[in-house]
Amino acid sequence: EIVLTQSPATLSLSPGERATLSCRASQSVSSYLAWYQQKPGQAPRLLIYDASTRATGVPARFSGSGSGTDFTLTISSLDPEDLAVYYCQQRSTWPLITFGQGTRLEIK
Amino acid sequence: VQLVESGGGVVHPGGSLRLSCAASGFTFGDYTMHWVRQAPGKGLEWVSLVYWDGGSAFYSDSVKGRFTISRDNSKSSLYLQLNSLTTEDTAFYYCARDLGVYRLTRFFFDSWGQGALVTVSS
Repeated sequence: EIVLTQSPATLSLSPGERATLSCRASQSVSSYLAWYQQKPGQAPRLLIYDASTRATGVPARFSGSGSGTDFTLTISSLDPEDLAVYYCQQRSTWPLITFGQGTRLEIK
Repeated sequence: VQLVESGGGVVHPGGSLRLSCAASGFTFGDYTMHWVRQAPGKGLEWVSLVYWDGGSAFYSDSVKGRFTISRDNSKSSLYLQLNSLTTEDTAFYYCARDLGVYRLTRFFFDSWGQGALVTVSS
């Protein structure tokens, strides 16, 4: 099973700052990685798939990069509504799909 | 796109429950569908998927042999039968649509329901 490790566990930043979230895979997942945003009390929302493709309706301030084992989700300029937990997910070993443990983003 | 889960509740260890997911706003029969769960305050865990035609289904190791996924394309509905439940199955269960269009499976989830809470407790 591929393990996804996200860092940091919690990130606290101010509005307008840049957020950089990391996801590391225990073995290569090629570019088969997605990022999800889960706001408090809500279902997750797909942000990025195939490591760098923004899903429909996702603002351009969200971007994804990486391949192989190291991936990054960047939020270029934080908005207070970006308060959420962010999860990465791999499908390289389908149908055994796995998620990272999440990064909690706090807005100061 | 709308996905609405139902059927959650409280059940004793060893008991059973059936979850349903009513889909609307898209051609249900063209999409692979998934169940993903989340224990309260915890992370996400993929549970199961069924292909667009119901021909193949897959399960995580943690539920294999106890849960059964099924679908009725004529009713635009997805189901999950949960048997032999343990306290570790307590979670919100989300119905999720696969990103792949027209019978292509991508194993990413582009639409989610609001979740159904299953609580296993004595």
